[in-house]
Amino acid sequence: GQQLNQSPQSMFIQEGEDVSMNCTSSSIFNTWLWYKQDPGEGPVLLIALYKAGELTSNGRLTAQFGITRKDSFLNISASIPSDVGIYFCAGQDNFNKFYFGSGTKLNVKP
Amino acid sequence: DARVTQTPRHKVTEMGQEVTMRCQPILGHNTVFWYRQTMMQGLELLAYFRNRAPLDDSGMPKDRFSAEMPDATLATLKIQPSEPRDSAVYFCASGRGVESPLHFGNGTRLTVT
Repeated sequence: GQQLNQSPQSMFIQEGEDVSMNCTSSSIFNTWLWYKQDPGEGPVLLIALYKAGELTSNGRLTAQFGITRKDSFLNISASIPSDVGIYFCAGQDNFNKFYFGSGTKLNVKP
Repeated sequence: DARVTQTPRHKVTEMGQEVTMRCQPILGHNTVFWYRQTMMQGLELLAYFRNRAPLDDSGMPKDRFSAEMPDATLATLKIQPSEPRDSAVYFCASGRGVESPLHFGNGTRLTVT
């Protein structure tokens, strides 16, 4: 299957700091998605990107679909304690299958 | 908000027993995915349906796993016989197809002893 490389694996930051994480793929994707997962729950969609070069914001979150269609990043500005969780990137290929990165575990110290 | 519903939320069973997990996709969604999540492997794609037809189940161990969609409101994932290595959280997700995101249920946490 497709390989998505997500980094960093984990982050420990202070409340108020900005956060950046990214995903790269060996293959082209048509759609990039970013999810957040809290303990005991399923991943929840944060941002969806459908066009190369697209930059989309959702509150304090900003994500971009890379020009090469092989990468995407997610930024979180002014982090707060409730941002704690695991963030996943996902790419959708030509066959409508979704592949997920291994996740970035975010810890925010108040 | 419409949600994907999975049952049961938790299942503890003994090795060799049959396990059935159920999923109700969001009304109007025509694609259904089953994923398995473990600490070691992350989110692994097991099976994928479009309009109730199985399109890809290459991620599933064929000898013991089976996935079906008896109707548009129900998807099932069965394991028979179950083994301890099947212990994981199984997620169902549904979507509208191309250029449409997946929406996840809250998963079934399976423990096989």
